[in-house]
Amino acid sequence: AIQLTQSPSSLSASVGDRVTITCRTSQGFSSTFAWYQQKPGQAPKLLIYDASTLETGVPSRFSGSGSGTDFTLTISSLQPEDFATYYCQQFNSYLFTFGPGTKVDIK
Amino acid sequence: QITLKESGPTLVKPTQTLTLTCTFSGFSLNSKGVGVGWLRQPPGKALEWLALFYWDDDKRYSPSLKNRLTITKDTSKNQVVLTMTNMDPVDTAAYSCAHSVRITVAGRMGYYFDYWGQGILVTVSS
Repeated sequence: AIQLTQSPSSLSASVGDRVTITCRTSQGFSSTFAWYQQKPGQAPKLLIYDASTLETGVPSRFSGSGSGTDFTLTISSLQPEDFATYYCQQFNSYLFTFGPGTKVDIK
Repeated sequence: QITLKESGPTLVKPTQTLTLTCTFSGFSLNSKGVGVGWLRQPPGKALEWLALFYWDDDKRYSPSLKNRLTITKDTSKNQVVLTMTNMDPVDTAAYSCAHSVRITVAGRMGYYFDYWGQGILVTVSS
C-alpha cells in the first residue's frame, strides 16, 4: 500500500512567516496530489489539487509544488486564520491515501 | 448547492456491524466524474479514506479495510450507505461522507473531495 509522510508533523510560526510543509509518497507513479486544511471541529477544506492548482476562492498566499515523490505546500505569509492542520492526499488507481497531517500553531 | 449529511448509530458494541447513511443533495451520482466517499478521523488523529462510490457504479475500498467494508447507493433516495463489519474500539472515530469530483489538468486526472458532511462520531464500546 502507498504510504505518505509529512514533515514536519507540527510547527510553531508567527503571523507573517513563510511556512513550508513537505509530503513524500512511497509511490508517486501515475498519481495526483492535493492539499487540505482542517480547523478544529470543521470538515477539511480543499486548498490545492493536481499538486499546484489553487482551488477557487483559496488565497494566493497558498501555493503547491512538486512532482514524482515529493510535494510541498507553502504559505507565503501566515495569517491568523491559517493556524490549522494540513493534510496531503494522493489519488492513484482510483484509491485515496492521506498523509498524517502537519499541525501549524501559533508561536 | 451541494450538501451531504451522515446518519446512523453513535454507539455500537464490539463485533457489531456499523451501517452509516449519507444523504446528499445538489448533485446526481449518475453525473460523469462524480463520486461519494466515506472517510473517518479518530479523535485527535489523521484522516483516513475508507471507500468511494463512483458515478459509473465502480466501487473502491481502502486496501487495509476492504474485507470489512461495503458501499452501496440508493439513487432514488440520493443516498450512499457504508457498512463496516466486526467493529472494534479502535474504529471509534468521526465518520464523514464527501462529494468527490474528477478534475483533469494537462492530461493528469484525479478525484478530489470538495464538499463534506458534518461527520458523525461513532463510539465502539461494550
